[in-house]
Amino acid sequence: QQQVKQSPQSLIVQKGGISIINCAYENTAFDYFPWYQQFPGKGPALLIAIRPDVSEKKEGRFTISFNKSAKQFSLHIMDSQPGDSATYFCAASKTSNTGKLIFGQGTTLQVKP
Amino acid sequence: EAGVTQFPSHSVIEKGQTVTLRCDPISGHDNLYWYRRVMGKEIKFLLHFVKESKQDESGMPNNRFLAERTGGTYSTLKVQPAELEDSGVYFCASSHSNFGQYFGPGTRLTVT
Repeated sequence: QQQVKQSPQSLIVQKGGISIINCAYENTAFDYFPWYQQFPGKGPALLIAIRPDVSEKKEGRFTISFNKSAKQFSLHIMDSQPGDSATYFCAASKTSNTGKLIFGQGTTLQVKP
Repeated sequence: EAGVTQFPSHSVIEKGQTVTLRCDPISGHDNLYWYRRVMGKEIKFLLHFVKESKQDESGMPNNRFLAERTGGTYSTLKVQPAELEDSGVYFCASSHSNFGQYFGPGTRLTVT
């Protein structure tokens, strides 16, 4: 049972463009939604996270948009750079429980110069 | 501050052998998690420690997997005997609370 569905599986964007990755979840008890960035040979690194009481969070070029009624959230990377080329994972957890993360399948982003 | 470290970075073993993976969390982090990513699929939760106690083992695949956390510090994950389907990347993560997990670089396990 896939509780968090992520799309697209891969994404190619030109330098300076906007990268958008979408995730949908099923469990309405989830209350924490992080995005992780992973470079080859490295572990996932926490990029940005959001709680369901806000609809948007921005940190630099990275923005999370959250739609609680639709049970969807997305990552927007503005002015995408070649250095942003990585695999991105969305995740969800219920922090009142163990806080274990339920991950999406991952999106491989390639930003072309 | 040192991050989460894992050892070894890569292990190749034959089916039926035993392998032990080690994770050293960030100092002071009581929460320690193990995850696994198999064949390019999603990263899946295995188990969660709070200090030396297992809080949630719901993701452990079967009884061939044994996790321990000595004195609430480092943790080991033993696979005995290993099967082909155990191949994958095993990640360890630690955190102060139930959010904000920091991941290690992972151990790539290949069972042949």
